[in-house]
Amino acid sequence: EMQLVESGGGLVQPGGSLKLSCAASDFTFSASTIHWVRQASGKGLEWVGRMRSKGDNYATAYAASVKGRFNISRDDSNNMAYLQMNSLKTEDTAVYYCTRIIMPSTWRFDPWGQGTRVTVSS
Amino acid sequence: QSALTQPASVSGSPGQSITISCTGTSSDVGAYNYVSWYQQHPGKAPKVIIYDVRNRPSGVSSRFSGSKSGNTASLTISGLQAEDEADYYCSSYTSRDTGVFGGGTKLTVL
Repeated sequence: EMQLVESGGGLVQPGGSLKLSCAASDFTFSASTIHWVRQASGKGLEWVGRMRSKGDNYATAYAASVKGRFNISRDDSNNMAYLQMNSLKTEDTAVYYCTRIIMPSTWRFDPWGQGTRVTVSS
Repeated sequence: QSALTQPASVSGSPGQSITISCTGTSSDVGAYNYVSWYQQHPGKAPKVIIYDVRNRPSGVSSRFSGSKSGNTASLTISGLQAEDEADYYCSSYTSRDTGVFGGGTKLTVL
């Protein structure tokens, strides 16, 4: 079963940038739609955005709260996905998870990474 | 996109059944059979327990079941066990081609 491992979290000042990475363990990654989900401490899950596969033209979509500031990309040759976060705000402080949907016409996020923590603070 | 509405908490005794509701709109829960449920234990990543309203991944106990009526989806856990104590989240695909989660429900096994 595929595993996902996030990295790149840390402390950043408001207005700064950070790029998160998500490494996948097997070849099914290229056929997957990759999603990013975040969770502020003690709060619920929030869908951040997704990038579809090459077959769907790498189409992206984002939550209104991050649109225009966050950008998802992927490198299928290395089974990697990325979340570039710009103009960060204190409210972006959260654990960020990458997950995926492998099958078309389904809504099943599986598996999930362990998450990487982002803290936006001066 | 507003979060789906879940009760903040539910509780039940071992062996009992509980149901968690997830209310959305005609643009998300009511529009598609693309609702999933996730179990999250403290400090852990979420785990899918129901997808596409009522489907259970292999390895997930048959004590977990899902359903939907109109704009409201439901997760039922029968034969409650201590290990079921966790946070539960619903999620839906939306007409804007995005995703949305519920606010989460904390299940306490008394």
